[in-house]
Amino acid sequence: GENVEQHPSTLSVQEGDSAVIKCTYSDSASNYFPWYKQELGKGPQLIIDIRSNVGEKKDQRIAVTLNKTAKHFSLHITETQPEDSAVYFCAANAGGTSYGKLTFGQGTILTVHP
Amino acid sequence: DGGITQSPKYLFRKEGQNVTLSCEQNLNHDAMYWYRQDPGQGLRLIYYSQIVNDFQKGDIAEGYSVSREKKESFPLTVTSAQKNPTAFYLCASTLMGAGSVEAFFGQGTRLTVV
Repeated sequence: GENVEQHPSTLSVQEGDSAVIKCTYSDSASNYFPWYKQELGKGPQLIIDIRSNVGEKKDQRIAVTLNKTAKHFSLHITETQPEDSAVYFCAANAGGTSYGKLTFGQGTILTVHP
Repeated sequence: DGGITQSPKYLFRKEGQNVTLSCEQNLNHDAMYWYRQDPGQGLRLIYYSQIVNDFQKGDIAEGYSVSREKKESFPLTVTSAQKNPTAFYLCASTLMGAGSVEAFFGQGTRLTVV
């Protein structure tokens, strides 16, 4: 089955700096790669996603890049703010399925210091 | 407002008891999922259902059971056979189809064995 590895497990930055979180996946059939943000005691919320026919996608301060050949994708957050502090998860859909059966990375705890 | 409602938010179980976690969605989504989250780990899939009266095991189904009698509802029962049930449980739903795989999550139920 699909295996998703996420690094780093913790990331601490100063407000205004950039943050980068990286994930690798094993199943070459995966074609959908979402990123979720989870605040303490709450469910994850989708912040950005990318499909395998696209190499990069941007939404204001957040961007995701995908390298299908190397099977890795990354989340980039620019101009970080304290409210960006949360746990971030990457995921990949299983075997290229068209529905949301996702395999998640282990999560990155991002702390943005004012 | 459309969304996914999980209840209760906190649940305490005595050893040897079965407990049922509720998940209801009014998004008219076809597929529903149950994930388990442990500290420092990503979400792991317990069960999922693509259609009423049908469901499939995920990666860690042992000790759990589900039903899908209505499109809106996907309750999860944690049985006494689950040896380590203390965890944060998340329910999610998606539409079916290649263009609509965003998974929407509930706010979770924290289960503690006492």
